[in-house]
Amino acid sequence: DTGVSQDPRHKITKRGQNVTFRCDPISEHNRLYWYRQTLGQGPEFLTYFQNEAQLEKSRLLSDRFSAERPKGSFSTLEIQRTEQGDSAMYLCASSFVSGGAYNEQFFGPGTRLTVL
Amino acid sequence: AQTVTQSQPEMSVQEAETVTLSCTYDTSESDYYLFWYKQPPSRQMILVIRQEAYKQQNATENRFSVNFQKAAKSFSLKISDSQLGDAAMYFCAYNLGSNYQLIWGAGTKLIIKP
Repeated sequence: DTGVSQDPRHKITKRGQNVTFRCDPISEHNRLYWYRQTLGQGPEFLTYFQNEAQLEKSRLLSDRFSAERPKGSFSTLEIQRTEQGDSAMYLCASSFVSGGAYNEQFFGPGTRLTVL
Repeated sequence: AQTVTQSQPEMSVQEAETVTLSCTYDTSESDYYLFWYKQPPSRQMILVIRQEAYKQQNATENRFSVNFQKAAKSFSLKISDSQLGDAAMYFCAYNLGSNYQLIWGAGTKLIIKP
């Protein structure tokens, strides 16, 4: 396993179009996280999954955003009716969590979205 | 609400010298975790070092060490013998545990001068 992968790495779209990103976590990891990172800022949490269950969603995640992790493996993040403000780097991370102790999150390379 | 502040948008250091990146945080909790992550240009975020708040001893990983001042809510990162490969954005982050989200600072861009 070579780590967390994300596809595509770059996406340019026109305002109003729908886009979908994919994240493949490290295979034995049960947690999967999505973050958004704008230029010059730290990541902002969007949502996370424990296996296939989506356990938390940020208030940043508007109705136009939806995420799935259908079989507890890869995940998709879809943005409908994209807006210019959606332009950002979308990061995926995964970890193995057992109990309450922190476990390291491993990040993918990100998908850079540009909305024209 | 928990917040993380990195007051240095950019730092530069001569290769082989030592640099310290600052981070302060605000929390009312007593048990938590603090992290420094590195994000090289066009590459993924990686964990540099982690500190558990209940541990008094400062964490160290090779050339990277932290100065954790719990009462002052300060968590600085010291990089010794800076190398060109250390050039990156460095993010300080806070977390209450695995069931809580990472709270991130805005980052410090570290430039290494050859």
